[in-house]
Order: sequence, then C-alpha cells, then structure tokens
Amino acid sequence: SYELTQPPSVSVSPGQTARITCSGDALPKKYAYWYQQRPGQAPVLVIYKDSERPSGIPERFSGSSSGTTVTLTISGVQAEDEADYYCQSADSSGTVFGGGTKLTVL
Amino acid sequence: QVQLQESGPGLVKPLQTLSLTCTVSGGSISSGRYYWSWIRQPAGKGLEWIGRVYTSGSTNYNPSLKSRVTMSVDTSKNQFSLKLNSVTATDTAVYYCAREHFSGYDYYFDYWGQGTLVTVSS
Repeated sequence: SYELTQPPSVSVSPGQTARITCSGDALPKKYAYWYQQRPGQAPVLVIYKDSERPSGIPERFSGSSSGTTVTLTISGVQAEDEADYYCQSADSSGTVFGGGTKLTVL
Repeated sequence: QVQLQESGPGLVKPLQTLSLTCTVSGGSISSGRYYWSWIRQPAGKGLEWIGRVYTSGSTNYNPSLKSRVTMSVDTSKNQFSLKLNSVTATDTAVYYCAREHFSGYDYYFDYWGQGTLVTVSS
C-alpha cells in the first residue's frame, strides 16, 4: 500500500488564498481527489481527477498536480470554507486517504 | 437522488463482532460502475478506508484490517454489509458507507451515508 501526506493545519485570513498540499509517491500514476468535511457532516467531493470541479462547487476551489504533490487551492477564502480537507487516491486494489488538513479562517 | 443509510448496533462489547448494514435507495446497487465502501473516522481523527465490495461480491480490504473484515452485498435488498470481528476500543468510530464511482483510472466517492457512531465498550 502507499501513503498520502498532508499538513495537519493551514490558516488564512478571509479573502486570502489557501493552499493545501498532498504528497505521495504514487501520485504521478494516479488521480487525486479532495473532500471537504465540516464538523458533524459526511465528506463532500470538491475536486476530482486532480483538477476537475464537480457541479455545485464554487469556482474558488481548484486543484493542480506536479510530480508527487497535488495541491488544493481555495482563492478568496470565506468563513464557510473552514473545515477539514482530505485528499484521496485509489486503484483497483484499494483506496487511501491522506491524514487530513484543518483549514482555519482567522 | 441516491441515498445511503447505515444501520446497526451503536454499542458493541470488546472482542465481539461489529455488524453494520447500508441500505441504498434512489439507485440500484447492481449498477456495474460502482464499488460499495465502508470508511470510518475515530473522534477527532482522519478518515480510514476499511474496504469495498462490488456487486459480484468481490472485495478489497485495507491491509491493516483485512484479517478481521468481511463485506458482502445483498442485491435483492439493495444493501451491503460490514462485519468486523474481535473489536477493541480502538475500533470506536463513526462508520460511513459510501458509493465509489470507478471508470478507468478514476475512483472517487460521490455519495455518502450520514455516518453511524459505534462504540466498543463493556
């Protein structure tokens, strides 16, 4: 199996840009996905296939990939974006989640 | 709109078997483009993938839990199930069922249940 590594926390002020990274040796060969989880709620997909945005997700959410690192970028952060964010990757043998990053909006 | 709902005991004694069922509505569990998965989350901690079952009954499990996990699917009831044996306090968590879309190299969870808290305690 493989691992995905995220920073435990990221803090930004409202209106600034938040960047959350996810690193893993398998990422050059696999797509990455990002989920937002607010307290007491199930996760919600915000980015799929490294950089695609599902319908209904605000345009301020974007994703990118470079080598063994993928990045979730939230531009113009709003208070409602404060949540935990998880990266995920998978193949036919199974799924792995990153450890999660708590985004704090100051 | 697809909906998933977990059900099962909220309290399990140590060394016993945790059993949960997920009922799928708004879509057929027999659709060929989805895995049916279980994911858990201890309080204050991250998501841990437990495993997945396909409509055929084939399974993939997290290597760290593989020796204790059994998953199955009942297409007649549109349900899938999780059994985790020999539980300890470290298995206390919110357990989610989820639908995992797959297509080529593309795998992601598009629908989740609301989650159910299972506590392991005597």
